Amino acid sequence: DTAVSQTPKYLVTQMGNDKSIKCEQNLGHDTMYWYKQDSKKFLKIMFSYNNKELIINETVPNRFSPKSPDKAHLNLHINSLELGDSAVYFCASSQQTILYYEQYFGPGTRLTVT
Amino acid sequence: GNSVTQMEGPVTLSEEAFLTINCTYTATGYPSLFWYVQYPGEGLQLLLKATKADDKGSNKGFEATYRKETTSFHLEKGSVQVSDSAVYFCALNFGNEKLTFGTGTRLTIIP
Repeated sequence: DTAVSQTPKYLVTQMGNDKSIKCEQNLGHDTMYWYKQDSKKFLKIMFSYNNKELIINETVPNRFSPKSPDKAHLNLHINSLELGDSAVYFCASSQQTILYYEQYFGPGTRLTVT
Repeated sequence: GNSVTQMEGPVTLSEEAFLTINCTYTATGYPSLFWYVQYPGEGLQLLLKATKADDKGSNKGFEATYRKETTSFHLEKGSVQVSDSAVYFCALNFGNEKLTFGTGTRLTIIP
């Protein structure tokens, strides 16, 4: 049973193109996220949505636009791709408990911009 | 702001060696603390957690104890296996949507 899924797993494209990454979760969670992981494995949060509402928007170029059609889906659209956008992008979802949010991650999408 | 500091990697050990990966945090208040593991080519998975001081989280032979006095949550395992080779992330959360991660520590176990 796939909990958090992303498509595609690999994406190779040229500079200047526009691309999208899709994410779906079947856990019934209200909150979803996009993270960027660089080549040194450093994780940076980009966006978070709670029930289709944007709640975290870190300092990310406005070429990146998240879209949440419903609370089970959070897609990431990237315009005018640049070399520096090459990274692994992870989608995650979380469930709130009394004390913390526990996050569940997708398998990642490796984006290579040439 | 809140932050998590992990020991720099990479860490290379022989099979059956004892493992410690240090993690300290800076925060106002008492967060919940986590260790996540990322196996090659995969996403992060929750390994263990602790929600209050002196709590010990444990899973798959790994343990970590929430030490309020030293603001630490060091990860330990008594005898590592080749299959433990992965990147390990320490993280904290204050019951909101934001999880603050450390920089990750790459662990390689040699047979």
